[in-house]
Amino acid sequence: GESVGLHLPTLSVQEGDNSIINCAYSNSASDYFIWYKQESGKGPQFIIDIRSNMDKRQGQRVTVLLNKTVKHLSLQIAATQPGDSAVYFCAEKKTNEAAGNKLTFGGGTRVLVKP
Amino acid sequence: NAGVTQTPKFRVLKTGQSMTLLCAQDMNHEYMYWYRQDPGMGLRLIHYSVGEGTTAKGEVPDGYNVSRLKKQNFLLGLESAAPSQTSVYFCASRKLAGLESYNEQFFGPGTRLTVL
Repeated sequence: GESVGLHLPTLSVQEGDNSIINCAYSNSASDYFIWYKQESGKGPQFIIDIRSNMDKRQGQRVTVLLNKTVKHLSLQIAATQPGDSAVYFCAEKKTNEAAGNKLTFGGGTRVLVKP
Repeated sequence: NAGVTQTPKFRVLKTGQSMTLLCAQDMNHEYMYWYRQDPGMGLRLIHYSVGEGTTAKGEVPDGYNVSRLKKQNFLLGLESAAPSQTSVYFCASRKLAGLESYNEQFFGPGTRLTVL
């Protein structure tokens, strides 16, 4: 079946630097792509999403870029802080309210912020 | 407002035993989901519910049953636990989308289950 995956399992970043987390997807029918953050021992937490008709969306210290030509998604975190240390998951969705708007998650990238 | 809560937090079962995981949400959300997360992997959907009294199968439903008798609760049952069901289980809920599509699922803290 179609799935969402990630290129880098672990990313070490110096505090204050920018982080870039990458994700490849294969379902061209997906209309939303979403990033979640999971801190150790906790459930995932929504960060930001982007609709498939957009190529960039900015949030607070985060930017998501979507390249549909190569089916690639990335999350950029500006001025990475210790609190950004977590596992980051990308997910995709094909909107279907009757079918629960299910998300398909990728495998995750661990971000380690060095002081 | 507690959000999404899960009980128990930890459980150890022997092969063949049964148990029920409880998920509760106080946000009046329509949708609820059960996921499992295995080491180093993303979340896989077990079952979901689009409203009270309705349930549907997700990606990995075998060996699990669910019920949604009340809007705020979503129960996940293991009738005969197997070692392959050792995992961390997460429940999530989401509100009904309005005119704009809505993608934020609220997750509980998880239940760590070990089957010996």
